[in-house]
Amino acid sequence: AQSVTQLDSQVPVFEEAPVELRCNYSSSVSVYLFWYVQYPNQGLQLLLKYLSGSTLVESINGFEAEFNKSQTSFHLRKPSVHISDTAEYFCAVSNSGGYQKVTFGIGTKLQVIP
Amino acid sequence: GAVVSQHPSWVICKSGTSVKIECRSLDFQATTMFWYRQFPKQSLMLMATSNEGSKATYEQGVEKDKFLINHASLTLSTLTVTSAHPEDSSFYICSAFSPTGDQETQYFGPGTRLLVL
Repeated sequence: AQSVTQLDSQVPVFEEAPVELRCNYSSSVSVYLFWYVQYPNQGLQLLLKYLSGSTLVESINGFEAEFNKSQTSFHLRKPSVHISDTAEYFCAVSNSGGYQKVTFGIGTKLQVIP
Repeated sequence: GAVVSQHPSWVICKSGTSVKIECRSLDFQATTMFWYRQFPKQSLMLMATSNEGSKATYEQGVEKDKFLINHASLTLSTLTVTSAHPEDSSFYICSAFSPTGDQETQYFGPGTRLLVL
């Protein structure tokens, strides 16, 4: 069975400051890793994903995440946050391969303070 | 991009009534859809995998007689909460893979908020 641990339920950060949202996973097989973002009263949107290749993956709005196999981590970072980044962020894992079901972490609420 | 819609976006019902939630893939055909439930301040929990033309596959602990899933066409899956009770109040979200997209990305609907009084 797979599991995802997001250690921080809430992360307050001032605007333009850097942020890191932590994610650790456990799995006995090869995995794909994802970060999804959920704005209030909306569904989830894919932020970025790691499938294979380069361990550093980036999103179009400045977030990046690095896959660390030895530490079984996939932390999400942004060097300078904006008010509009306030949302719930979910880390997720699936078995590698197509059309796999996904296991989500509990989520981290990022609160950007003006 | 692939778009998934849900209807209704929110519903309030009395205890004991049944509620049907629709999940549609608007610009693609989805042979497989997923239904999730999200309680306040918790993560999404997979309830079942909906397969077009066959029975849904339910996750352990999910009552299939209570949460009826019908995937009658390649663009529509429905979740019916039968005899709803206050503890069924939750945010229900569906998702689907797009056959024209990559095989790893699920596209999520906007969710349906159910409140059972």
